[in-house]
Amino acid sequence: GDSVTQMEGPVTLSEEAFLTINCTYTATGYPSLFWYVQYPGEGLQLLLKATKADDKGSNKGFEATYRKETTSFHLEKGSVQVSDSAVYFCALSRQAGTALIFGKGTTLSVSS
Amino acid sequence: DVKVTQSSRYLVKRTGEKVFLECVQDMDHENMFWYRQDPGLGLRLIYFSYDVKMKEKGDIPEGYSVSREKKERFSLILESASTNQTSMYLCASIGLAGGGGSYNEQFFGPGTRLTVL
Repeated sequence: GDSVTQMEGPVTLSEEAFLTINCTYTATGYPSLFWYVQYPGEGLQLLLKATKADDKGSNKGFEATYRKETTSFHLEKGSVQVSDSAVYFCALSRQAGTALIFGKGTTLSVSS
Repeated sequence: DVKVTQSSRYLVKRTGEKVFLECVQDMDHENMFWYRQDPGLGLRLIYFSYDVKMKEKGDIPEGYSVSREKKERFSLILESASTNQTSMYLCASIGLAGGGGSYNEQFFGPGTRLTVL
């Protein structure tokens, strides 16, 4: 079945460091890909998405590119801030409006 | 702004109790979901609903049931709570923007942290 694999954390960085969180997927067809973020004590918020190959999603300085040839959707940010400390989930959806399939989540901790 | 609300942020129940978790969305979304979040396992789908009175099992439906009597409300029911159902429960909803493969954002509630003693 479809699945999402993301790098295990925790990831610990200093402020202004470069961030990469790897995400790969297994799916038939052409899924849409998402990154969600969960700040402490809160629900999930959509960070960015891409709906077809070579699309780049971006938001709040974060970027991810839908790479069909490598079945990947890695999350990057050039300069992290303490406020970026959160749990990041990579997810896919096979069809509009259907349930998301999530990776296990990666905890990011940024120190000043 | 779309809002998904859940009836409780924290809940403590005893083994064997019947537990109701309520979720309400205010954007007339067709589809609603219940996920369970556990450390190291990510989010797993329990049940979902595409319309009033319609429900479909997700990946881990055992020990749970759901009810959707009104479009805006989707309830998760633990018929007889057990300690292995101690978890964070997240409700989500999504509307359908129309055809053409467009995706709307799936909106999540703040979660209910349930502890079963």
